[in-house]
Amino acid sequence: GAVVSQHPSWVICKSGTSVKIECRSLDFQATTMFWYRQFPKQSLMLMATSNEGSKATYEQGVEKDKFLINHASLTLSTLTVTSAHPEDSSFYICSAGPDNYGYTFGSGTRLTVV
Amino acid sequence: AQTVTQSQPEMSVQEAETVTLSCTYDTSENNYYLFWYKQPPSRQMILVIRQEAYKQQNATENRFSVNFQKAAKSFSLKISDSQLGDTAMYFCAFMRNTPLVFGKGTRLSVIA
Repeated sequence: GAVVSQHPSWVICKSGTSVKIECRSLDFQATTMFWYRQFPKQSLMLMATSNEGSKATYEQGVEKDKFLINHASLTLSTLTVTSAHPEDSSFYICSAGPDNYGYTFGSGTRLTVV
Repeated sequence: AQTVTQSQPEMSVQEAETVTLSCTYDTSENNYYLFWYKQPPSRQMILVIRQEAYKQQNATENRFSVNFQKAAKSFSLKISDSQLGDTAMYFCAFMRNTPLVFGKGTRLSVIA
């Protein structure tokens, strides 16, 4: 089946610094990638839709200048959390597709800002 | 806009028993996809089962099956012979084009 690799799986950073999270489709070309945020014991909240070669589409309430998304190739999308603050601490998940089954999820990144 | 409702925040089932998780959705579309995803403590989202709306036959995957009632906009998941490894959050999701719309999830605990 389709495989999506997300890196890093966890990261701790200091307040004010930036963190980059990578999402790679390993065995298929992903024309679309999605970035989600998940708070503890809650569902996935869509942050943005990323299409290869074009600007990302952000959901209402998501700061595009804080959460920079780049989808430069059909196999790689990156999410950069700029000037991170403790309130940005969360679990971030990407999904990529479409493949034969729909969209495949990465394993997620746990971000802690101290 | 499409919405997905999971009315059971938490459920529990004895090992080897059968449990059904409920999901309803709201859409004016005729062609779409429905999914059940499992999220164990590792938080990896795992596709459990998928149903195409144009197919009348209910999807099955080993111990997992769905009861898809298109007119009622209902898409329940049945887990047979529950195993301890089935303990997880289960999310129902709707897709028409993109992106996925998720329900709030049902936390399932399988008890030995």
